[in-house]
Amino acid sequence: GAVVSQHPSWVICKSGTSVKIECRSLDFQATTMFWYRQFPKQSLMLMATSNEGSKATYEQGVEKDKFLINHASLTLSTLTVTSAHPEDSSFYICSAIGAGLAGVEQYFGPGTRLTVT
Amino acid sequence: GENVEQHPSTLSVQEGDSAVIKCTYSDSASNYFPWYKQELGKRPQLIIDIRSNVGEKKDQRIAVTLNKTAKHFSLHITETQPEDSAVYFCAASIDTGFQKLVFGTGTRLLVSP
Repeated sequence: GAVVSQHPSWVICKSGTSVKIECRSLDFQATTMFWYRQFPKQSLMLMATSNEGSKATYEQGVEKDKFLINHASLTLSTLTVTSAHPEDSSFYICSAIGAGLAGVEQYFGPGTRLTVT
Repeated sequence: GENVEQHPSTLSVQEGDSAVIKCTYSDSASNYFPWYKQELGKRPQLIIDIRSNVGEKKDQRIAVTLNKTAKHFSLHITETQPEDSAVYFCAASIDTGFQKLVFGTGTRLLVSP
């Protein structure tokens, strides 16, 4: 149980275009979802926290107009990278906390590798 | 806000040896400390966690110790195996609200046969 999926697993796009990444909780309802970015050989950096039906809370230094987060349902959150540039190339990982699940464990998605050319 | 430091950044051991990774945190309100193992290109996997009301927790070859006074916690892996080779991250969180995790910088563990 407690499976989180992401789609796509990898994507290549041209500079200036927008890319949408989906994060789904498959067998539980996610009250809160988190979006992380991980550059090569670096740690996970939290970008934003989203709760279903409300605006996301962005971490300091993360441009909310560039990284659009929509948590439209208890099983789906999306991250849209708008006007992507090569420096946005990274591994994007979501995680979710489940309503009714025991403990405070975050369940991580498999990640999406974004390459902007 | 919370800041988590992790050492060492790389650790090489021989198969069968023990490995110890140490983390310190800054926010005394933090009370949940998970450890994750991440293989290249994969998602982080929770391997063990500890809460502040416990000083030590063990799960087979893996153990975690916590010193709340000193604000540090450590991961101990005994009888290391080549498949233990990965990047390990510690994290800290407050066990209420949105449970935001702050990650350490990671330790690349290499276990040589």
